[in-house]
Amino acid sequence: EAGVVQSPRYKIIEKKQPVAFWCNPISGHNTLYWYLQNLGQGPELLIRYENEEAVDDSQLPKDRFSAERLKGVDSTLKIQPAELGDSAVYLCASSPDRGGELFFGEGSRLTVL
Amino acid sequence: AQSVTQPDIHITVSEGASLELRCNYSYGATPYLFWYVQSPGQGLQLLLKYFSGDTLVQGIKGFEAEFKRSQSSFNLRKPSVHWSDAAEYFCAVAATGGFKTIFGAGTRLFVKA
Repeated sequence: EAGVVQSPRYKIIEKKQPVAFWCNPISGHNTLYWYLQNLGQGPELLIRYENEEAVDDSQLPKDRFSAERLKGVDSTLKIQPAELGDSAVYLCASSPDRGGELFFGEGSRLTVL
Repeated sequence: AQSVTQPDIHITVSEGASLELRCNYSYGATPYLFWYVQSPGQGLQLLLKYFSGDTLVQGIKGFEAEFKRSQSSFNLRKPSVHWSDAAEYFCAVAATGGFKTIFGAGTRLFVKA
């Protein structure tokens, strides 16, 4: 069974540029999460989807961040414009149900210069 | 709101020695509790989880954890550490029903020969 796939693995951009990250969850997993992981810290939830509905986006900085999950499968997280402080690893995870194990992708490491 | 504290930023143990990583949580009821491991450049992988029942849970790679309600703790243990166990370990808590998983800041484990 394929795991959670994320791309790109690494992205270097200049500040004020846009960037997008893509996530393909495990087949059949209805719940999808985007987490932000700063260096030396644990993951922090940005947004959670149940199928195509964003059910928890309270931690998503909506002035510059946006996300979508069309057809309840793949998801895209976008930052526009990027700031220096956005340099971090963006993790996507999926789960077959609420409260169970989270299956993580390898992450997308963003460096903003 | 729930929270997780991992008091040790890093721990160094000798190969073959025993290991205990500490985790304390804050939550009004019995939460769902997890330990995840993250190797460099990788996503997080579940080691074990506690939902209810027996307070001593067994996980993969020879790890175990014990839920102590009176101490609000969920410490991770391994009787004999291998060099391949060197990684970052995250304790996590989710409210009953698992709507939102909160991670601790992590403990980095170094293993010396």
